[in-house]
Amino acid sequence: NAGVTQTPKFQVLKTGQSMTLQCAQDMNHNSMYWYRQDPGMGLRLIYYSASEGTTDKGEVPNGYNVSRLNKREFSLRLESAAPSQTSVYFCASTDKTGGADTQYFGPGTRLTVL
Amino acid sequence: GESVGLHLPTLSVQEGDNSIINCAYSNSASDYFIWYKQESGKGPQFIIDIRSNMDKRQGQRVTVLLNKTVKHLSLQIAATQPGDSAVYFCAETHDKIIFGKGTRLHILP
Repeated sequence: NAGVTQTPKFQVLKTGQSMTLQCAQDMNHNSMYWYRQDPGMGLRLIYYSASEGTTDKGEVPNGYNVSRLNKREFSLRLESAAPSQTSVYFCASTDKTGGADTQYFGPGTRLTVL
Repeated sequence: GESVGLHLPTLSVQEGDNSIINCAYSNSASDYFIWYKQESGKGPQFIIDIRSNMDKRQGQRVTVLLNKTVKHLSLQIAATQPGDSAVYFCAETHDKIIFGKGTRLHILP
């Protein structure tokens, strides 16, 4: 049981380049999330998927798109990367047993946009 | 390591002493609270949770206290060890989850 996995671990892009961050969970969770974490800002929600086949915007969705490929996988795409998107990106999935929202996080992708 | 938490408040504790990390939450309707630990270069890791119908919950070496009157949550770590060095942040949930910015725990030898 690997939990939540993310690839790649590190990435450097030039402004305008595109890339997709991959996330997979093996806990059979319905809900998955993408966050970005910046110094002094805490975790900010980019997009989430409450269940397979649905996606919704979070707090900071501009410049990103997502795909819930199946129950296990939730990808985040940057179509035209900007320096403001330099951040650490975390994927999470939720076990909502009993209504509680305990989120389990992946190890993160550290992205630098030059 | 990553630059997460450059401007976070820091708590320095002697190894072996108890640590108390505090969190003020914002929504009086929040009904479920979680503490996370984030080590340098890693993702947040679940430590302990508490529901709003409780005021105290204990785990292994950790205790969470909830004071709904003043919207305050605390995490107590007993006999702090070098491996406890990390950023700790709370989260509150109602219809959505809100994460705090965190406190860096620094262990003194």
